[in-house]
Amino acid sequence: QKEVEQNSGPLSVPEGAIASLNCTYSDRGSQSFFWYRQYSGKSPELIMFIYSNGDKEDGRFTAQLNKASQYVSLLIRDSQPSDSATYLCAVNFAGGTSYGKLTFGQGTILTVHP
Amino acid sequence: EAQVTQNPRYLITVTGKKLTVTCSQNMNHEYMSWYRQDPGLGLRQIYYSMNVEVTDKGDVPEGYKVSRKEKRNFPLILESPSPNQTSLYFCASSLRSAGNTIYFGEGSWLTVV
Repeated sequence: QKEVEQNSGPLSVPEGAIASLNCTYSDRGSQSFFWYRQYSGKSPELIMFIYSNGDKEDGRFTAQLNKASQYVSLLIRDSQPSDSATYLCAVNFAGGTSYGKLTFGQGTILTVHP
Repeated sequence: EAQVTQNPRYLITVTGKKLTVTCSQNMNHEYMSWYRQDPGLGLRQIYYSMNVEVTDKGDVPEGYKVSRKEKRNFPLILESPSPNQTSLYFCASSLRSAGNTIYFGEGSWLTVV
């Protein structure tokens, strides 16, 4: 079974700080990596996706991918109380019968306190 | 407005009574999928479909059926629901595959008693 692992938290950071969320995956053949944010009782919403090694920045969010070490991370700069949510890492294990599968980690609960 | 629509949003049913959760998308997406979400287990994929008449099992398909007769619709069928299928269900779609951005429906809360 291909796996995606996240620290479930909760991760608590003060307002204005950098929140760092991490995710590891088991299959070296993984192609696409996604970060979703989910507020309680709501559906997941896409924050960022990354396909290539390195960093990808979008506003206050930076996704980092290291395929050799098989981890992907999400940095949230200048964290705000509205960022408090569960963050889900998702990995597409491409190739063969896995092409249509998207596997999620358990999610990390982030709390940003004023 | 681009959206994925699920119905019903909330349902309480009894063990063994067949039910169908409908899912429809208006984005002409080829790929559709169903997930269930349970506390501590995250989102787990039930079934997915790469296109009309093409479906495949996800990680937790037992007790579920799906069909894809039209591009826009992907219903989830519970032939004989059991209490362990009590969960929050999400339908999702994307342009071509799980490697593209996936859009989720609002979720369906299902309780089986």
